[in-house]
Amino acid sequence: SAVISQKPSRDICQRGTSLTIQCQVDSQVTMMFWYRQQPGQSLTLIATANQGSEATYESGFVIDKFPISRPNLTFSTLTVSNMSPEDSSIYLCSVGEDPLYNEQFFGPGTRLTVL
Amino acid sequence: GENVEQHPSTLSVQEGDSAVIKCTYSDSASNYFPWYKQELGKRPQLIIDIRSNVGEKKDQRIAVTLNKTAKHFSLHITETQPEDSAVYFCAANRDDKIIFGKGTRLHILP
Repeated sequence: SAVISQKPSRDICQRGTSLTIQCQVDSQVTMMFWYRQQPGQSLTLIATANQGSEATYESGFVIDKFPISRPNLTFSTLTVSNMSPEDSSIYLCSVGEDPLYNEQFFGPGTRLTVL
Repeated sequence: GENVEQHPSTLSVQEGDSAVIKCTYSDSASNYFPWYKQELGKRPQLIIDIRSNVGEKKDQRIAVTLNKTAKHFSLHITETQPEDSAVYFCAANRDDKIIFGKGTRLHILP
């Protein structure tokens, strides 16, 4: 399976600022997704990052808060905007290599703490 | 949309015994059911999956069963070992996405 990296691995940010998280894959993949995992909780899908078009957001997540880019088939970014302490979480990207089979593999995650 | 329920939320088993985690799903169109293992501080790892055209799949000590009629699927771990301690998530697909259950924290007792 693809090798997935994320930057930064962790960060501590001040309220009201923004952080951009990068997800890099070592091969071209069809699908890329962004998830949030709050402490002790399950994984919640934020959005599907579509190459060459706007991301598709899940209910409860909006583009102004979580803008996403996907300029090519190996890279995506998620920005957490105007952060508050409630945004403290782990953010994970995942990739799917075949839309027919839905297998997804996760990046190592970015641990975000907002003060 | 798809809703995935997972039970129990916590499970403790004696080392060497078996562990069973159960999930139900709501969308009859779902046809792919993966299981992920997440160790503390690590990313979720896909450990096994099953598609709706089969009823059971096994990989060494891990097996999954699927009952499409009842819309439930289960993870079975036999001869549990300390390294099986982790949080396990079941999931079901919805279009090209997957929806996760809330997770089961598995403790293997010495």
